[in-house]
Amino acid sequence: GQNIDQPTEMTATEGAIVQINCTYQTSGFNGLFWYQQHAGEAPTFLSYNVLDGLEEKGRFSSFLSRSKGYSYLLLKELQMKDSASYLCAVIDSGYALNFGKGTSLLVTP
Amino acid sequence: IAGITQAPTSQILAAGRRMTLRCTQDMRHNAMYWYRQDLGLGLRLIHYSNTAGTTGKGEVPDGYSVSRANTDDFPLTLASAVPSQTSVYFCASSDRINNEQFFGPGTRLTVL
Repeated sequence: GQNIDQPTEMTATEGAIVQINCTYQTSGFNGLFWYQQHAGEAPTFLSYNVLDGLEEKGRFSSFLSRSKGYSYLLLKELQMKDSASYLCAVIDSGYALNFGKGTSLLVTP
Repeated sequence: IAGITQAPTSQILAAGRRMTLRCTQDMRHNAMYWYRQDLGLGLRLIHYSNTAGTTGKGEVPDGYSVSRANTDDFPLTLASAVPSQTSVYFCASSDRINNEQFFGPGTRLTVL
């Protein structure tokens, strides 16, 4: 089966940097996504990694190591509006998108 | 229409009733998906469609059926609703099966 692990909850301070980790064991790999989901809303796309390394997009960066089955999402200069759930999702060999259970991030003043 | 829409926004349904959740996208995406999201379990794939005329089963297909008669619409039907189908249902689409998925606003379904 597919196994995607993320921490359940994290708390960080406004203006700080936070790293949300994701480890995965899937049958094949065709890419990894990070989505953001505010309470009561739909998930929205943040980043996509298919090759090893760091992808930077403004305050958000995502890293992938395929050999380690590991990714992280780095959020810099945290803002209160960054309080949300962050979902790691992996595309397996059958091109199905498998989601982790999400990490709920609380940003405090 | 801009993007992907779902209807209804929310619904309370008696157990045993039939219900169809509607999903429409105007992005001409080939692939469409239905997920359910439950507290502590995350998003789980119910059914998907790679292109109009084809469908496939996801992780939790039992009790649900889908059809894909055209590119834009991907309805999800509960033939005889049960309380365990109480959930938030999200429809999503992508231009290819391994590309970024765009999500609809969700349907909150309660089965009593």
